[in-house]
Amino acid sequence: GDSVTQMEGPVTLSEEAFLTINCTYTATGYPSLFWYVQYPGEGLQLLLKATKADDKGSNKGFEATYRKETTSFHLEKGSVQVSDSAVYFCALSASAGGTSYGKLTFGQGTILTVHP
Amino acid sequence: DSGVTQTPKHLITATGQRVTLRCSPRSGDLSVYWYQQSLDQGLQFLIQYYNGEERAKGNILERFSAQQFPDLHSELNLSSLELGDSALYFCASSTRPWNTEAFFGQGTRLTVV
Repeated sequence: GDSVTQMEGPVTLSEEAFLTINCTYTATGYPSLFWYVQYPGEGLQLLLKATKADDKGSNKGFEATYRKETTSFHLEKGSVQVSDSAVYFCALSASAGGTSYGKLTFGQGTILTVHP
Repeated sequence: DSGVTQTPKHLITATGQRVTLRCSPRSGDLSVYWYQQSLDQGLQFLIQYYNGEERAKGNILERFSAQQFPDLHSELNLSSLELGDSALYFCASSTRPWNTEAFFGQGTRLTVV
């Protein structure tokens, strides 16, 4: 079945440091890929997405590129802020028409803490 | 604010009891999803409804059931509750039956004592 593997956390960085959170996936067909962020006490918010190979999703300074050859969707940000402290989830959704379409399969989440 | 409303925000109940969680999707969204977030299992897909019909089923226990009403709100019913059912339950909605973009509510935290 479909699965998503994220790098182990937690990740602790100083403000303005470079961030990478690794994400690899296993899926049949051509899934859509997502990064969601969960701030303390809140629900999940879509951070960015990519729906086909070589697409780059970007939002709020975060970027991730859909790499089909390496089945990866790593999240990067050039300069993190204290306000970026949250839990980040990589997720996939099977392609439209697939038997499991509609559901999101999530990675285990990576806790990011940014210190001033 | 995602536009998805879940009630109640917190729920404390005893083992063996039954509870109902409610979700109102974003205006115009026809698809509703339920997820369970727990420390040991992470985020798990439970069930999806689209325009009143069950669309996909995940790791949902037989003690759990859901439905989507004509006004598109959804309810998740959890019965014969066990300590292990304590978790954060999220509802999400999207316009299409497949997830090009889903919007999540803030969740209902269920504690079974």
